[in-house]
Amino acid sequence: QVQLHESGPGLVRPSETLSLTCSVSGASISSHYWSWIRQPPGKGLEWIGYVFYSGSTNYNPSLKSRVTMSVDTSKSQFSLIVTSVTTADTAVYYCARNSGPLGLDHWGQGTLVSVSS
Amino acid sequence: IQLTQSPSFLSASVGDRVTITCRASQGISSNLAWYQQKPGTAPNLLIYGASTLQSGVPSRFSGSGSGTEFTLTISSLQPEDFATYYCQQLNSYPSSFGQGTKLEIK
Repeated sequence: QVQLHESGPGLVRPSETLSLTCSVSGASISSHYWSWIRQPPGKGLEWIGYVFYSGSTNYNPSLKSRVTMSVDTSKSQFSLIVTSVTTADTAVYYCARNSGPLGLDHWGQGTLVSVSS
Repeated sequence: IQLTQSPSFLSASVGDRVTITCRASQGISSNLAWYQQKPGTAPNLLIYGASTLQSGVPSRFSGSGSGTEFTLTISSLQPEDFATYYCQQLNSYPSSFGQGTKLEIK
């Protein structure tokens, strides 16, 4: 079955860079789009963007200037980088398989990233 | 595209029929999905294409609508259905979610 797993630091200092990786098993990373979504504590879901193995991306305009996504097909992983973080970036970050109009049909378990000095 | 869910909070009893509405700020055809999220877990896809049930989702869940107005209906609430529900538009990118509807036990 398709499984996704997020990994990365749980604590990032303000103004520094947040970096997360999502490892994919049970599906070809080259055959799908892949998304990142985040959820601040006690709040709703925010779509961050998607990436395709070719390098094609689409980002939320509210984060576009600080976000980069990429795919490493050799490792079956995709990644998220958010620069110049503030406390407002504290959230549970989820990776998910993006099946277009069929929705986000497989999700990782999520990883909490706290931004604090 | 902005999505507005109503109500934001809903209190109901086991066996009740409940309906949640999602309104889009512009037409999105039938490109809408619904998710269920329980505390401490990732969202789970329930419905896509506004009305197609994801594999494994109980038939008491149903979705309808097109254009700008959509509904999620649970025909007979079960104890495991008390959760938060989100709609998401997939018609154009960037994608977006509704603010969520928390379904609580009365």
